[in-house]
Amino acid sequence: GESVGLHLPTLSVQEGDNSIINCAYSNSASDYFIWYKQESGKGPQFIIDIRSNMDKRQGQRVTVLLNKTVKHLSLQIAATQPGDSAVYFCAESLNDYKLSFGAGTTVTVRA
Amino acid sequence: SQTIHQWPATLVQPVGSPLSLECTVEGTSNPNLYWYRQAAGRGLQLLFYSVGIGQISSEVPQNLSASRPQDRQFILSSKKLLLSDSGFYLCASGSSYNSPLHFGNGTRLTVT
Repeated sequence: GESVGLHLPTLSVQEGDNSIINCAYSNSASDYFIWYKQESGKGPQFIIDIRSNMDKRQGQRVTVLLNKTVKHLSLQIAATQPGDSAVYFCAESLNDYKLSFGAGTTVTVRA
Repeated sequence: SQTIHQWPATLVQPVGSPLSLECTVEGTSNPNLYWYRQAAGRGLQLLFYSVGIGQISSEVPQNLSASRPQDRQFILSSKKLLLSDSGFYLCASGSSYNSPLHFGNGTRLTVT
């Protein structure tokens, strides 16, 4: 079964607002986490990653937060735009070559 | 940067027919290669991965097989398709531990 899950399957957000997408993982030994964005009919696109020795990492308009105590990962998108509408997946790795994916959260941006 | 080519983009095949999906990678050498399957509205399930030519690891028992005849070529096959083989098949490439995988744009397979 899947070792990584998401709290909510859908998220609706007003254009210009900030979005927060949550993810819970079950394997406390996982040491690498990654967020992907998938648009309809396309493959997942890398957004941002974080290693377990960090608790926060920022990119362009995105921030990933890692709370190892409660095994929780979140993706924050600042000033959400219509082009941010997609399915977002978190994934984890246990210091190997493989990524385990959660079920995904569908983000819809309202104009 | 890496580019993952997959074809065909869509495929409709009858039950019992064979399957061959091909993936090629540009922009890197000695990649780790992966086949994932995505059911509608679900996450990605790892089917196979390969760390080198001729080296294939299977993650789940199934009706599919994989081969890696060249460094940057990864093939997913079946001798006889089942209805349950329908799905979105994604090829991915990675370079090392704790680094992102790069995905192709997938093949939508419908078995009828």
